[in-house]
Amino acid sequence: GESVGLHLPTLSVQEGDNSIINCAYSNSASDYFIWYKQESGKGPQFIIDIRSNMDKRQGQRVTVLLNKTVKHLSLQIAATQPGDSAVYFCAENEAGNQFYFGTGTSLTVIP
Amino acid sequence: KAGVTQTPRYLIKTRGQQVTLSCSPISGHRSVSWYQQTPGQGLQFLFEYFSETQRNKGNFPGRFSGRQFSNSRSEMNVSTLELGDSALYLCASSLISYNEQFFGPGTRLTVL
Repeated sequence: GESVGLHLPTLSVQEGDNSIINCAYSNSASDYFIWYKQESGKGPQFIIDIRSNMDKRQGQRVTVLLNKTVKHLSLQIAATQPGDSAVYFCAENEAGNQFYFGTGTSLTVIP
Repeated sequence: KAGVTQTPRYLIKTRGQQVTLSCSPISGHRSVSWYQQTPGQGLQFLFEYFSETQRNKGNFPGRFSGRQFSNSRSEMNVSTLELGDSALYLCASSLISYNEQFFGPGTRLTVL
């Protein structure tokens, strides 16, 4: 059959505003999650991770929230900068198994 | 500490040929995973090696194979290349399996 390309959700924010990127994961047994940032022509860059025994974790300008009840993960970026423009995607892992990656969200920061 | 390195960065091959890609993990990391990234399918898991043993394999045909050496460096091989094998091939390393996985820049393979 005909292959269909991935349609990435897009998010546009003004420079200086906060960004929230969402991810719905599929496996209720997943216990480890990572957010990655991928700029054009580069490999994914590790941003922040969280384990299922936590519901919030903060890094530098980033916060990850985990809601296991609805299998939802979010990445909050504070004071978004032009350099934050990239594709962001989440990865889920159930101990001992492979990572599964979301399709990603394309973030564009408007100067 | 140096990051994950992959060679070559770019490769052009023709259908039917075979190709070998190389990955050097972060020093001390023993787990290496390989992924294929395409616009149509996103990031797809190929296989994972830990201490020279393949621990997991994704849903790819047998034309895709890999190995890991005693120094944790890894290679993947694709035989009898098809047009659909054109993709960015990414290697990721972690200290132990599936934990804080860090990616290399990838090898862009184009099959003509």
